[in-house]
Amino acid sequence: DAKTTQPTSMDCAEGRAANLPCNHSTISGNEYVYWYRQIHSQGPQYIIHGLKNNETNEMASLIITEDRKSSTLILPHATLRDTAVYYCIVLNSGGSNYKLTFGKGTLLTVNP
Amino acid sequence: DAGVTQSPTHLIKTRGQQVTLRCSPISGHKSVSWYQQVLGQGPQFIFQYYEKEERGRGNFPDRFSARQFPNYSSELNVNALLLGDSALYLCASSLNREALYGYTFGSGTRLTVV
Repeated sequence: DAKTTQPTSMDCAEGRAANLPCNHSTISGNEYVYWYRQIHSQGPQYIIHGLKNNETNEMASLIITEDRKSSTLILPHATLRDTAVYYCIVLNSGGSNYKLTFGKGTLLTVNP
Repeated sequence: DAGVTQSPTHLIKTRGQQVTLRCSPISGHKSVSWYQQVLGQGPQFIFQYYEKEERGRGNFPDRFSARQFPNYSSELNVNALLLGDSALYLCASSLNREALYGYTFGSGTRLTVV
């Protein structure tokens, strides 16, 4: 599975958009980009995933560059409850092992 | 609907002992995966079970074993506990192996080895 690079930490003001970048320059054609988050002392929570096109759901939007080498997770109106570690994960959809490989993620702190 | 449930929530064991952790997946989910998360790190994959068979194994010693039951619940066993096994153990379930729409994680079992 392709490796990902994320900033260690980011701050965001409550009510503003939070834009979390992820670099996955070695991604291959059949690998999806997944985002999970982990609020302190809880298990990770699935947010969104995408292959080539931009995606949006009730939680967030995912913007994937045309060359697929990077992506951005957007929380449109961050709240204090969005403070968490955000993980960007690349997953091979056609492989035999569907494990998630977590890095250290980005600690997003939403400030009042 | 109940989410993924794990028991116990907290556990303290002594070095050399054995421990069994339990996981009940979301109803209808046939795949269960186990992860270990040590303080300050992201979760690390231990096992995936699907339809009661092991389908994937991470880089963990043979002291770690697991199984999945006919009702799709699962147990993780760790023998000869070491201090370094202290961690949050997470269980994740999905409808199928591919989990295209993501895994659902439980809140974990916090294991402390003293």
